Amino acid sequence: DAGVIQSPRHEVTEMGQEVTLRCKLISGHNSLFWYRQTMMRGLELLIYFNNNVPIDDSGMPEDRFSAKMPNASFSTLKIQPSEPRDSAVYFCASSFRGRGQPQHFGDGTRLSIL
Amino acid sequence: EDQVTQSPEALRLQEGESSSLNCSYTVSGLRGLFWYRQDPGKGPEFLFTLYSAGEEKEKERLKATLTKKESFLHITAPKPEDSATYLCAVDNNNDMRFGAGTRLTVKP
Repeated sequence: DAGVIQSPRHEVTEMGQEVTLRCKLISGHNSLFWYRQTMMRGLELLIYFNNNVPIDDSGMPEDRFSAKMPNASFSTLKIQPSEPRDSAVYFCASSFRGRGQPQHFGDGTRLSIL
Repeated sequence: EDQVTQSPEALRLQEGESSSLNCSYTVSGLRGLFWYRQDPGKGPEFLFTLYSAGEEKEKERLKATLTKKESFLHITAPKPEDSATYLCAVDNNNDMRFGAGTRLTVKP
């Protein structure tokens, strides 16, 4: 069975540009998590969906960040406008039935904002 | 304030030299403690979930234990392929919080 698939794997763009990160969940999973990982702050939960509904977005840093689940198997994380401090590795993860279950992570998108 | 602290930050072992990694937490309403392994350039890979004090889980050379204040990941007779960063995460009623990780290197 395919794991969580993220695209692109690497993204380099200039400050002020819109960035869209994509994630495909594992089939049958109904919970989706977006994380950001940096050397300074480690792995931080940004937002968590259950059955396509955002449950907890308290980790989203600013209004420049938005996340959607247009269907049960796909999610996007958008940054507009992007800033250099947004540079990080962004992971999505999925689980079967919520935050208290083991999460399966994708291999991340390494984002560099120049 | 809820905190998850892992120690040591880095650990170097010789192959076969057993040791333990620590994850201490101060959270209210623990719902679960998770251990993950992360290899360079990859996402974290799930290892164990522990839900209550006294619980233990084992997988190959790894054994995880949980008390009311901390969890240990014991590595018995490690091999070079066990080299990775080990992350613990705590899920409580408010959020899910990861520790900074322990970077383990096992030399042949």
